[in-house]
Amino acid sequence: DTAVSQTPKYLVTQMGNDKSIKCEQNLGHDTMYWYKQDSKKFLKIMFSYNNKELIINETVPNRFSPKSPDKAHLNLHINSLELGDSAVYFCASSQGPRGSYGYTFGSGTRLTVV
Amino acid sequence: AQKVTQAQTEISVVEKEDVTLDCVYETRDTTYYLFWYKQPPSGELVFLIRRNSFDEQNEISGRYSWNFQKSTSSFNFTITASQVVDSAVYFCALSPTSGGGADGLTFGKGTHLIIQP
Repeated sequence: DTAVSQTPKYLVTQMGNDKSIKCEQNLGHDTMYWYKQDSKKFLKIMFSYNNKELIINETVPNRFSPKSPDKAHLNLHINSLELGDSAVYFCASSQGPRGSYGYTFGSGTRLTVV
Repeated sequence: AQKVTQAQTEISVVEKEDVTLDCVYETRDTTYYLFWYKQPPSGELVFLIRRNSFDEQNEISGRYSWNFQKSTSSFNFTITASQVVDSAVYFCALSPTSGGGADGLTFGKGTHLIIQP
């Protein structure tokens, strides 16, 4: 069983569209995250979600919004997609907000905006 | 604010050579975790090691070893007798252990390691 699974693995869409990336973890972790990896491979945290507390990286445009229907899911919604949103998005989870027991990453979603 | 610096953007060595990847970090936290991840060409992030700031002992796992020096804020990674399969991008990362919120990991920019046959 995959610990942190993301769907879809690849997503190609046109500018201006709205899209979602789903993330599910079966580890029983209570904190989930979204990271963005740009074309230069730089990884940066976008959001973390713990016990209904959402912490947003201040550099993330408000077109991006995480939605957590339950503790096992943290989906990423992106409105009005722009070319610069093209990147690989990684979902991750941890037990506790400090990663005391490590972080588990999904395999990534490659988003291409054309 | 936290910062992780991996000054080596790309390293290329011939197979069987030893190679060290440097990592220097900055943090105001008194306790923290340090990590190394490997990202092979297939793209997934593979966890290699987590080190608590309390524990300055070096660690060895097969051909991999890590040298943590709190005095110089460094957490370097050495691969002994490198192999072509070690070719990947390697990330050093930092996470606080206390305080409010859920900050996740602060990553360095990665070192692209190329092992030539």
